[in-house]
Amino acid sequence: ILNVEQSPQSLHVQEGDSTNFTCSFPSSNFYALHWYRWETAKSPEALFVMTLNGDEKKKGRISATLNTKEGYSYLYIKGSQPEDSATYLCAPRGGGADGLTFGKGTHLIIQP
Amino acid sequence: KAGVTQTPRYLIKTRGQQVTLSCSPISGHRSVSWYQQTPGQGLQFLFEYFSETQRNKGNFPGRFSGRQFSNSRSEMNVSTLELGDSALYLCASSPSAGATGYTFGSGTRLTVV
Repeated sequence: ILNVEQSPQSLHVQEGDSTNFTCSFPSSNFYALHWYRWETAKSPEALFVMTLNGDEKKKGRISATLNTKEGYSYLYIKGSQPEDSATYLCAPRGGGADGLTFGKGTHLIIQP
Repeated sequence: KAGVTQTPRYLIKTRGQQVTLSCSPISGHRSVSWYQQTPGQGLQFLFEYFSETQRNKGNFPGRFSGRQFSNSRSEMNVSTLELGDSALYLCASSPSAGATGYTFGSGTRLTVV
């Protein structure tokens, strides 16, 4: 079972501002890092799956970077919109017989 | 394309009873994972199946079990229910295990009284 830390726990951001948050995980035995967005009353939605050190992925205004050597990933949201309000979860996966280990998430609220 | 379907959506059971939850993955997806979500613990991994074989198992007691059928549909069973088993149970499917993102179902909300 991996120790996954996400910070901050919650975040209030003004509409139009950009923001970012962090996922920290053990760097040993790394296989992949997943990011999900979970909106209230919906199911978690996959954003990115990253595997290589230095990976950068982008989906619209959302992007993510990965550092497997030091064990962290950043998620960036550019020009936040109200529909970005959600909990953002990261989940590393080790190379052994473990499934995804989810962090507790960053709860993002965009204020109009 | 139909999404991941979980049944039932809501369930109320009494302590000591057993329960079976069902998950139908997206057509063509062979990997099915189960997660328990509680307010205090967040999303916790239960188990993962691929082509009818349990590949991974989380840190849950033996009362929690599952299986996957040849059509990739999966069931999870909880025996001798305890109050602490009250949670949202989510199923997720993927074409392969771990290398691609998972598609989650809407979940089954289990309440144990």
